[in-house]
Amino acid sequence: SYELTQPPSVSVSPGQTASIACSGDKLGDKYASWYQQKPGQSPVLVIFQDNKRPSGIPERFSGSNSGNTATLTISGTQDLDEADYYCQTWDTSTGVFGTGTKVSVL
Amino acid sequence: EVHLVESGGGLVQPGGSLRLSCAASGFTFSSYWMQWVRQAPGKGLVWVSRVNSDESTRTYADSVKGRFTISRDNAKNTLYLQVNSLRAEDTAVYYCARESLAAAGISLDYWGQGTLVTVSS
Repeated sequence: SYELTQPPSVSVSPGQTASIACSGDKLGDKYASWYQQKPGQSPVLVIFQDNKRPSGIPERFSGSNSGNTATLTISGTQDLDEADYYCQTWDTSTGVFGTGTKVSVL
Repeated sequence: EVHLVESGGGLVQPGGSLRLSCAASGFTFSSYWMQWVRQAPGKGLVWVSRVNSDESTRTYADSVKGRFTISRDNAKNTLYLQVNSLRAEDTAVYYCARESLAAAGISLDYWGQGTLVTVSS
């Protein structure tokens, strides 16, 4: 079955850039989405179709997808960006989520 | 405003069954594909199932195939997940989510608050 791998954790200082990688076989040939989940809350879509932001998502969130890696970038990271982040794609009509990355703003 | 409200979770013994519901409002429910995603306590998100607008297409994760059934009632704006033959590893918060109408790719643009299913004797 298809798998997406993310680093367990990423630490970033306020105002700096955080990058979260999501790796999967030929992931660049598929579309990737990204979700933010804060403790005790439901996930929120922050990036779809590799690099598009839903209405209401700040411009500091951006995405890319090429080769075997999709990347979520948070520019000018703020304290409120501290959360778990999950990538997602689809493979043969089956949804696949990444292993998740905890972003800590220190 | 889009709202998705799950219900039907609870404590059930191994081998038992539940029917989870997701009441939708604030959008034309019958026009959207819908999905279920679950999250075990302290763990990551796991895709469970997906259904198209008229139920002609339903897909499932291998881990639930043959035990779970997704369905919907467009007249009642409600999505369901019948969960049978439950196992301890099915313990999780179950979220319903709406698929976006993006031109390409599949993403989930609205999520409910989730309903907790606990499988234990």
